[in-house]
Amino acid sequence: DVQMTQSPSSVSAYVGDRVTITCRAGRGISTYLAWYQQKPGKAPKLLISGASSLQSGVPSRFSGSGSGTDFTLTISSLQPEDFATYYCHQAKSSPPTFGGGTKVEIK
Amino acid sequence: EVQLVESGGGLVQPGGSLRLSCAASGFTVSGSYMSWVRQPPGKGLEWLSVIYGGSYIDSADPVKGRFTISRDDSKNTLYLQMSGLRAEDTAVYYCVRDFNDYYFGYWGQGTLVTVSS
Repeated sequence: DVQMTQSPSSVSAYVGDRVTITCRAGRGISTYLAWYQQKPGKAPKLLISGASSLQSGVPSRFSGSGSGTDFTLTISSLQPEDFATYYCHQAKSSPPTFGGGTKVEIK
Repeated sequence: EVQLVESGGGLVQPGGSLRLSCAASGFTVSGSYMSWVRQPPGKGLEWLSVIYGGSYIDSADPVKGRFTISRDDSKNTLYLQMSGLRAEDTAVYYCVRDFNDYYFGYWGQGTLVTVSS
């Protein structure tokens, strides 16, 4: 199985801050990586696929980058509605695996 | 509009069985990669099983031999038959449709399964 390691596990930030979350794959996965946002009590929502392709309707302050083993999700200017938990997911090989999550909290 | 509505969760004793259902609308389950993903309370996401086309099925090792994914194309519904349930199977179970084959693009609201005596 491909291990996905996210960091940090939590981050406290102010509205307007730039936030970066990293995800490292245990072996190369090309760009078969997605990012999801999950708010309490809700299902995850796909934000980014193919490492950097923003889903329709997702604000442009979200961006993704990386290939191979190292990936980042960046929120350029944190908004109140962005406080949530974010997960990465590798889709290169079975079984699909997720990172442990990063909780973005209000400072 | 794609919609997925899970049902069938609840409280079950260790060793018991349960069948989850996921009624789909806005697309056909037979033409999509359909998966089950679960999330234990306060924890992360775990993929369980996928079904696609006429015969492709794959499952995660922790549930192989205990959980069986299936679908009824006439009802446009996905199922997860779970047996030999353990306390560690307690989780919210999500039905998920793919986006571009590889990603988890559309999620149901989830159904809670609690395994406890």
